[in-house]
Amino acid sequence: AQKVTQAQTEISVVEKEDVTLDCVYETRDTTYYLFWYKQPPSGELVFLIRRNSFDEQNEISGRYSWNFQKSTSSFNFTITASQVVDSAVYFCALLVLTGGGNKLTFGTGTQLKVEL
Amino acid sequence: DTEVTQTPKHLVMGMTNKKSLKCEQHMGHRAMYWYKQKAKKPPELMFVYSYEKLSINESVPSRFSPECPNSSLLNLHLHALQPEDSALYLCASSQPNQDRAGNTIYFGEGSWLTVV
Repeated sequence: AQKVTQAQTEISVVEKEDVTLDCVYETRDTTYYLFWYKQPPSGELVFLIRRNSFDEQNEISGRYSWNFQKSTSSFNFTITASQVVDSAVYFCALLVLTGGGNKLTFGTGTQLKVEL
Repeated sequence: DTEVTQTPKHLVMGMTNKKSLKCEQHMGHRAMYWYKQKAKKPPELMFVYSYEKLSINESVPSRFSPECPNSSLLNLHLHALQPEDSALYLCASSQPNQDRAGNTIYFGEGSWLTVV
């Protein structure tokens, strides 16, 4: 069985601060995929980043960066110089391929509030 | 803009009504999904269609009836719902059971359902 843990329920920061969202996962599969999604109040789940279990290269994309550490089963997400528009719920998710379809296991989400 | 579109955006229905939620994707994907999301909770998988065939049913009550008329359309027929079924219903799509870049799941904006 798969499990994703986001220990931070809610984070509040002041605009321009950096913020890191933590994610720890559990799986026995050797091939798996990790995702971060953003959900603003409108409801849509917006895909942000995807990482394969066999690719530990970390990446920076604009104000976003990701730190994938297989040794600690963590996939953390950092926003640099946060903005009010970053306020949303962020979900970390784990995907393993099954015979019938792709099943995403979500963490419980972290509510990020960025204030002026 | 998302390439998974859902209608209606908001729906209020009585417990004796019959209504449908509709979803269309324009990405050429062959897997489509229905997720249910209650307030302050992560999305929960309901159904998966792979190549227009139902491949996963997560023990969803029969008052929810999915239908996949073709590879780009997905419906969720609702009948005799209960107030506790009020939630955000998210449609999603991806390529089925493919590794690498093909299995990212893309979500629509959701349909907010209220059962009175």
